[in-house]
Amino acid sequence: SSELTQDPAVSVALGQTVTITCQGDSLRSFYASWYQQKPGQAPVLVLYGQNNRPSGIPDRFSGSSSGNTASFTITGAQAEDEADYYCHSRDSSGYPLRLFGGGTKLTVL
Amino acid sequence: QVQLHQWGAGLLKPSETLSLTCAVYGGSFNNYYWTWIRQPPGKGLEWIGEINHSGSTNYNPSLKSRVTISLDTSKNQFSLKLNSMTAADTAVYYCARGQRWRHGYFDYWGQGTLVTVSS
Repeated sequence: SSELTQDPAVSVALGQTVTITCQGDSLRSFYASWYQQKPGQAPVLVLYGQNNRPSGIPDRFSGSSSGNTASFTITGAQAEDEADYYCHSRDSSGYPLRLFGGGTKLTVL
Repeated sequence: QVQLHQWGAGLLKPSETLSLTCAVYGGSFNNYYWTWIRQPPGKGLEWIGEINHSGSTNYNPSLKSRVTISLDTSKNQFSLKLNSMTAADTAVYYCARGQRWRHGYFDYWGQGTLVTVSS
């Protein structure tokens, strides 16, 4: 089916490691990209491809993929990482549709 | 430094047509997918559609009957029109630059425009 599934909410203690997952059939064919969105702001690309970070994105952000699941990991979470995170991929059904996950609200405790 | 700046009417009545424009500064207009994405209040992101530099478009099937994306290469601008607006179309609308790469991603975004549909 043409959808990406994320856990609605995840929490992490300051300085600890957290992983946000994204599941969908399209992820068997395409890498996910990940976006961070803080309240009242536009999304920001934080990860794309196999494990690529745009310029200026902290190296505590990393990603991986296996089967139908893409994972986004923050190693040593900081207070400023508290945000909503969205995964995205192309649809694999044959139509040039772009898919977004429902988003995961990350709380840093 | 690439920047996307968007503008358009923020308050519409039911049945009216949404019209937004996005200007691209600081980069080539070619070899990208120029994209519109929306986000209803408190909800997730929804891809609306895209256009490449030659004018070829792709639309979300759920909106295809109502949406038109066009571009003006002379001004490095692209536009969104969504007709027959209803309250369900109330959202923040974003323009974004999509990479022409097999896996795709959106590396630059506009600031967003809150569009409210209300009688």
